[in-house]
Amino acid sequence: AQKVTQAQTEISVVEKEDVTLDCVYETRDTTYYLFWYKQPPSGELVFLIRRNSFDEQNEISGRYSWNFQKSTSSFNFTITASQVVDSAVYFCAYYLRTGANNLFFGTGTRLTVIP
Amino acid sequence: GAGVSQSPRYKVAKRGQDVALRCDPISGHVSLFWYQQALGQGPEFLTYFQNEAQLDKSGLPSDRFFAERPEGSVSTLKIQRTQQEDSAVYLCASSPLGQLFSPLHFGNGTRLTVT
Repeated sequence: AQKVTQAQTEISVVEKEDVTLDCVYETRDTTYYLFWYKQPPSGELVFLIRRNSFDEQNEISGRYSWNFQKSTSSFNFTITASQVVDSAVYFCAYYLRTGANNLFFGTGTRLTVIP
Repeated sequence: GAGVSQSPRYKVAKRGQDVALRCDPISGHVSLFWYQQALGQGPEFLTYFQNEAQLDKSGLPSDRFFAERPEGSVSTLKIQRTQQEDSAVYLCASSPLGQLFSPLHFGNGTRLTVT
């Protein structure tokens, strides 16, 4: 069965520090997608990134970067020079291409950026 | 509309009451999902619509839960004879495509409290 583990329940950093959020997934499948979503205090989840299992190229978008490593079944998310607006709960999620019609979410990591 | 709209934002129900939660997806979006998010947890899949067809309802926890999308736009999630374990945030999400791995646009959710 698919499973997504976000071992870090809560992280606090001081503004301008870098922070990495960990995501480890379990699967026996070869075709799948991984996602990161951000949930600010307002409640809605905001899509950040999607990767498919055949694309291990790391990606950078502004202060955000993602490190996908199939060898360790990890899809970690790094925020550089963190800002107070980055404070939110971040969810890693898994979608199996030929499986159920839904995303499997991790339990989330609550990030607090202290000014 | 500009985003996915859910109403009411908060709902308090006495145990045994029926409730109806509404979701207005982004206009033209084909796919619509309902998720349940317990406190401190990630969202868990309830059901999925493609236009007016309910293609997957495997996540509905009991036969007290019912969802519909009769005209392929607005959707209603109904919970009959509410129980305390139904207390959670109910999230609606939509996507413009029928591809299930497309990024989802989430609403702010309805926080249901059953007393």
